[in-house]
Amino acid sequence: GAGVSQTPSNKVTEKGKYVELRCDPISGHTALYWYRQSLGQGPEFLIYFQGTGAADDSGLPNDRFFAVRPEGSVSTLKIQRTERGDSAVYLCASSRTSGTSTDTQYFGPGTRLTVL
Amino acid sequence: DAKTTQPNSMESNEEEPVHLPCNHSTISGTDYIHWYRQLPSQGPEYVIHGLTSNVNNRMASLAIAEDRKSSTLILHRATLRDAAVYYCILKDSNYQLIWGAGTKLIIKP
Repeated sequence: GAGVSQTPSNKVTEKGKYVELRCDPISGHTALYWYRQSLGQGPEFLIYFQGTGAADDSGLPNDRFFAVRPEGSVSTLKIQRTERGDSAVYLCASSRTSGTSTDTQYFGPGTRLTVL
Repeated sequence: DAKTTQPNSMESNEEEPVHLPCNHSTISGTDYIHWYRQLPSQGPEYVIHGLTSNVNNRMASLAIAEDRKSSTLILHRATLRDAAVYYCILKDSNYQLIWGAGTKLIIKP
């Protein structure tokens, strides 16, 4: 079946611009996660959705970052007034369940964001 | 959150077994041990998980020490396509996965 998809695969923008990154989770997965990954490091948690609501947004670095999941499926990560430090790979994952020790997360290929 | 310790990198020859170690001395009784791997330019993918008993699936085997303070991911016959960063993660009922830097596995032809 179809896995998690993310668009665009690459995004180059200029400092100060606004960007939107899209994630299509696996159909039927209620939990959705956004991570950010810098070169040579493991993914860093940003936000977690259970259904339509953001259950935990404690990983968002500041108020320039915002994410939505209005219908409980597709999610969009929005970054305002981008800074060079925002350059990273943004990963989306989904899982059928959450809140158990055996949940498995399925990841998309990521969006590589470069802020010039 | 419980932490894991892995070597930064390991090398192995193609078609030989690979044993990737992970130390987790502060593991709690309800933590599961999960392994994910990340191939170059791809998102992470799930490999295997276990609690106490050794586990096998089509991708790998997971050997868990009796005291659960360490575990080993075993690739029985590594191929070039297994070159990746392998992450060992302890997971409780919390939804979050807490990632370290992982082990970069290099496969030599």
